[in-house]
Amino acid sequence: AQTVTQSQPEMSVQEAETVTLSCTYDTSENNYYLFWYKQPPSRQMILVIRQEAYKQQNATENRFSVNFQKAAKSFSLKISDSQLGDTAMYFCAFYNTNAGKSTFGDGTTLTVKP
Amino acid sequence: EAGVVQSPRYKIIEKKQPVAFWCNPISGHNTLYWYLQNLGQGPELLIRYENEEAVDDSQLPKDRFSAERLKGVDSTLKIQPAELGDSAVYLCASSLASGTPRNEQFFGPGTRLTVL
Repeated sequence: AQTVTQSQPEMSVQEAETVTLSCTYDTSENNYYLFWYKQPPSRQMILVIRQEAYKQQNATENRFSVNFQKAAKSFSLKISDSQLGDTAMYFCAFYNTNAGKSTFGDGTTLTVKP
Repeated sequence: EAGVVQSPRYKIIEKKQPVAFWCNPISGHNTLYWYLQNLGQGPELLIRYENEEAVDDSQLPKDRFSAERLKGVDSTLKIQPAELGDSAVYLCASSLASGTPRNEQFFGPGTRLTVL
């Protein structure tokens, strides 16, 4: 079974600054994906960024990038130039490709302050 | 393109009453998921469908929970009878297919259940 740990229940950042959210996971699988999802207050969850485990290059999506350390089983999310609209709960998720199943962390609540 | 639709958005019932949630996935998505999300926690899978077949229901409490996806499109999740501990948000998600690179899940807005 896989486990996903997000060790920061809450974080805050000033608008326009950079923040990094941590995620570690435990698995014996080789074939998997890692995701960061964003869940704004009272709104639905949306995908922020995806990383294929077999790719060494870190994924980037505009202001969002990841630091994927496969050996350390670490998958952190960096948000650059933080905006007020980035305020949300962020979930790290592990996707077991063979089982077709996702395991989510307990989330980090991020507040962007003006 | 319409997203994943769920109804109702909110439901308040008394314990021991039945309740049902409905989900309509994105058109063409073969895989449908029901998740339970407790306050301050991440979603936990209840059941996963590939078309009309439930391929993973190992986390579904079958004594009181049931689900169906008869035509491989929309799905219903039922709880009978509801208990106080069932108060949570029930999320539905869909994806084109599981076990493939095209595995991004699209989530609905959820149904917030309160059991009194």
